[in-house]
Amino acid sequence: ILNVEQSPQSLHVQEGDSTNFTCSFPSSNFYALHWYRWETAKSPEALFVMTLNGDEKKKGRISATLNTKEGYSYLYIKGSQPEDSATYLCALDSGNTPLVFGKGTRLSVIA
Amino acid sequence: NAGVTQTPKFQVLKTGQSMTLQCAQDMNHNSMYWYRQDPGMGLRLIYYSASEGTTDKGEVPNGYNVSRLNKREFSLRLESAAPSQTSVYFCASSGTRGYGYTFGSGTRLTVV
Repeated sequence: ILNVEQSPQSLHVQEGDSTNFTCSFPSSNFYALHWYRWETAKSPEALFVMTLNGDEKKKGRISATLNTKEGYSYLYIKGSQPEDSATYLCALDSGNTPLVFGKGTRLSVIA
Repeated sequence: NAGVTQTPKFQVLKTGQSMTLQCAQDMNHNSMYWYRQDPGMGLRLIYYSASEGTTDKGEVPNGYNVSRLNKREFSLRLESAAPSQTSVYFCASSGTRGYGYTFGSGTRLTVV
């Protein structure tokens, strides 16, 4: 079973702070890297799908980068707001098999 | 709205009872999945169906069976529920590669 690691496990920041977290994956088994946003009591929602080394994606104040050679992706949130509080999941797509999810980073933004 | 519909949203079972969780998608997706979510464990794959007529085991299949009834529907059955199956269950579907999964709203199951 492929291992997808996310760090930190949880994070508390003040409103307005910028933050980032990491997703690590085996670089030898790579087709695409997915990021999801998962609010409490809701279902995960897709943020980004990244496929190329050096890829950068942006959606509002959230952006992500990808390094397939060393096997990591960063998710950045600029000027965090309370509504950004959620668990952020990354998932590895390694071929014709289902996504393998990390355990997530739980972000709490304090007003 | 298009998406993935799961029923029921909540269920309490007694040990040994059986039940079926239903999932349907209206996005014409080929692939469907069942995950369970437990504290500290993230999302773990129970079973999946890459296309109509096929099903495969995931990471944690023991105690479960699935049926891909048609392209739209993928059900998960617990034949004899155990307390260890207390969890939140998510169904998901996917279409063309390179796009994310669409998840249902989840079923919170408690086995007492």
